[in-house]
Formats: sequence, structure tokens, C-alpha cells
Amino acid sequence: EPEVTQTPSHQVTQMGQEVILRCVPISNHLYFYWYRQILGQKVEFLVSFYNNEISEKSEIFDDQFSVERPDGSNFTLKIRSTKLEDSAMYFCASMGQSSYNSPLHFGNGTRLTVT
Amino acid sequence: GESVGLHLPTLSVQEGDNSIINCAYSNSASDYFIWYKQESGKGPQFIIDIRSNMDKRQGQRVTVLLNKTVKHLSLQIAATQPGDSAVYFCAEIQGAQKLVFGQGTRLTINP
Repeated sequence: EPEVTQTPSHQVTQMGQEVILRCVPISNHLYFYWYRQILGQKVEFLVSFYNNEISEKSEIFDDQFSVERPDGSNFTLKIRSTKLEDSAMYFCASMGQSSYNSPLHFGNGTRLTVT
Repeated sequence: GESVGLHLPTLSVQEGDNSIINCAYSNSASDYFIWYKQESGKGPQFIIDIRSNMDKRQGQRVTVLLNKTVKHLSLQIAATQPGDSAVYFCAEIQGAQKLVFGQGTRLTINP
């Protein structure tokens, strides 16, 4: 069964450094998402992406965050200058058609640790 | 703002028993709900979904019930197994494309 893959599984970075989290969504999917989960808390929406542009973003997704689909297969999340509070699991998700018809499929996440 | 929430943070049941996980939602306009299972170190995994034109949907060992009158959603797992131990999230589609998660219930299956 097709799946969403994320790399790396664990990323450690120093405060102030830039990180890029990578995702390969399911190949025929059209909608792409990033979610964040701080340890022990619920999964929080960051951003949705469709037709090569951001559809919606949350308050968490400030100017330090950006997303890109550079080559038609990868979907990346960049954090320009990481803060301690950015430490979390970051999940990529994709969906094939409109959200009304199908659920999101999630990757296994990247654990980001900012020291 | 409107949100999806859960009644209990933890639930323990004996292996073989049935379990029920509850969820309340506040947006009466919501029309699509999903239950996800999250095992340790993994991403949310789709279990079952239900649309607002239904009040019950069954899968393999799982049943989702939707009560629109009181804006309540539940997930029933029959004959629980050790592999059912996980955190279960209800989620709601808001707007056209955004999936919003509830707080989560940790289900523990006791041998």
C-alpha cells in the first residue's frame, strides 16, 4: 500500500539554525499538509498546500516557516531560525481528492530536537 | 474557536473486552469525522470515518457512532487485543481541507 515517507526520522539542531524536513507524499495525491505534535499533546495543523500554493496556515506557521514542492514529488518544510519551542514531531500528510471524500494519510514523522 | 475535544484522557480495559472512546465536537456544521490511531513513534493511522448523513458505521472490530443532536462521536472497539493499545484521536474536517484533531485518549489493554 502506498505510504507517505519522511526524512530524517530524527533531526537535532542548535537554536537559530535552519532545518529542512522532507516528505514524499503518495504519488497521485493532490493536497499536502504539515502538522506538529509537541510531546504528549494533540496533533496541530500547520499548513495545507494545493496547486503549488498554500491553501491555509495556522497561527503557528509564522514567517519562520515555509513550504515548497520543488520537484513534483518532494514536499518540504523549512524552519529558518529554530527556537527551543520548535522541538516537536512534525508530520507530513497527503490526500488524494477533496477532504470531503477521503482521509489524510500521514507519514511517521520527523522528531525535531532544538538545543 | 470551535474545536473537537475528548471526554477522557486515558482508558484501561481488559484484553478481550470491548472499549468505547468518546469525543465531543462543537461545530454543528461539521459533516465529516475521522478516527485515527497513533502508536508510539508513529504517525496517525486512519481507522474509520463517518459523514453527518449517517449515525453509525462499522469496520473490522470497530464501530463509529455519531449523535448529531448532542454533537457526540464515539469509537467502539470490540474484543480488544494488545495491539489496540495506542492513543486514539477523533478529527474533524473544518472548511474545505483542514483536518483538526481532538486531544486524544490513551487506550491501554491489560493482559
